[in-house]
Amino acid sequence: EDQVTQSPEALRLQEGESSSLNCSYTVSGLRGLFWYRQDPGKGPEFLFTLYSAGEEKEKERLKATLTKKESFLHITAPKPEDSATYLCAVQANSGATNKLIFGTGTLLAVQP
Amino acid sequence: NAGVMQNPRHLVRRRGQEARLRCSPMKGHSHVYWYRQLPEEGLKFMVYLQKENIIDESGMPKERFSAEFPKEGPSILRIQQVVRGDSAAYFCASSPSGQGNEKLFFGSGTQLSVL
Repeated sequence: EDQVTQSPEALRLQEGESSSLNCSYTVSGLRGLFWYRQDPGKGPEFLFTLYSAGEEKEKERLKATLTKKESFLHITAPKPEDSATYLCAVQANSGATNKLIFGTGTLLAVQP
Repeated sequence: NAGVMQNPRHLVRRRGQEARLRCSPMKGHSHVYWYRQLPEEGLKFMVYLQKENIIDESGMPKERFSAEFPKEGPSILRIQQVVRGDSAAYFCASSPSGQGNEKLFFGSGTQLSVL
């Protein structure tokens, strides 16, 4: 069964304190790994897609990396506005569907 | 350039009533996905629809839940005879073509509360 596990469940950082979020996955053929950001009361907002092991993508203070078993979302010198829940999801390479299988997310709080 | 539109944003129903949740995909998108998010849980896939067709309903409860995406108009997620356990945030997402690797664009969700 395709599965996504994220850790930690919650993370509190001081402004400027860099850290990483983990996403471990098991999937019957990976079509893509997605990172989304979700603010309270809103829908997930797309951040990155990674397709193959070794791939990296960056956007402002965020950098996503991918191995054959896990992905990391590195946050460099975070600011309070980076506070949100970060969701990881996989798209399996099976069937005629683009559905995403999500982890439960990491709730990030960045304190000034 | 409107994004995915969901309404209502909040819906309150009493046990046994029906809930109808609406989703208009982004302009040019013909594929719609419904997800449910329970407190302390992740987003759970429910159903994937293309215009007038259900492609994948593997996440839909067998009873009381149905979904449609007619040729004209929004996609509808219908929950009959709601129970307290149906209280959750329901999110709709859309994509342009259903091809592999496409990212999904999400709406802001409908928060369903069952009294």
